[in-house]
Amino acid sequence: DAGVIQSPRHEVTEMGQEVTLRCKPISGHDYLFWYRQTMMRGLELLIYFNNNVPIDDSGMPEDRFSAKMPNASFSTLKIQPSEPRDSAVYFCASSLGTTYNHQPQHFGDGTRLSIL
Amino acid sequence: QKEVEQNSGPLSVPEGAIASLNCTYSDRGSQSFFWYRQYSGKSPELIMSIYSNGDKEDGRFTAQLNKASQYVSLLIRDSQPSDSATYLCAVGGGGADGLTFGKGTHLIIQP
Repeated sequence: DAGVIQSPRHEVTEMGQEVTLRCKPISGHDYLFWYRQTMMRGLELLIYFNNNVPIDDSGMPEDRFSAKMPNASFSTLKIQPSEPRDSAVYFCASSLGTTYNHQPQHFGDGTRLSIL
Repeated sequence: QKEVEQNSGPLSVPEGAIASLNCTYSDRGSQSFFWYRQYSGKSPELIMSIYSNGDKEDGRFTAQLNKASQYVSLLIRDSQPSDSATYLCAVGGGGADGLTFGKGTHLIIQP
């Protein structure tokens, strides 16, 4: 079975530009998570969806960040306008259920984002 | 604020020895505990999960959980150079569905 698929793998853009990251979860998984990883802060949860509905976006750093999940097989994370401090690796993960019910999360390969 | 603490290392272990990785967490309501392995430039890969107090073994890996002490550990027996990676402890289920990650322990297996 295909795992979580993210695109692009790498993105380099200039400050102020709009950035869109894409994710296709594992088929049948009801939960989708967006994480950001930096050396300083490690892996941080940004937002997650259950059945395409955003449940908790308290980790989204500011209004420049937005995420959508228009259907069960696609999600986007958008940054507009981008800033150099947004440079990080962004991971998408999906799971069959909640961590309360012991379901593990499976990660995509990530998008390495560099804002110049 | 939920916290997961790990010693960042590096932890250097000779090939063939046992590597012991530790993790403590702050949320007593946590229900699920995971160990992920992350090679440099790669994504986190799930290697172990544990939900009940005690030990859980899978091949060369043993996860240990002590909820009273809020402590999780991972033992790697017969360490191999290919085990050299960063090991992330992740905790979940304490009222939210996302995982809280530690910053990871960098493990080096010396041939």
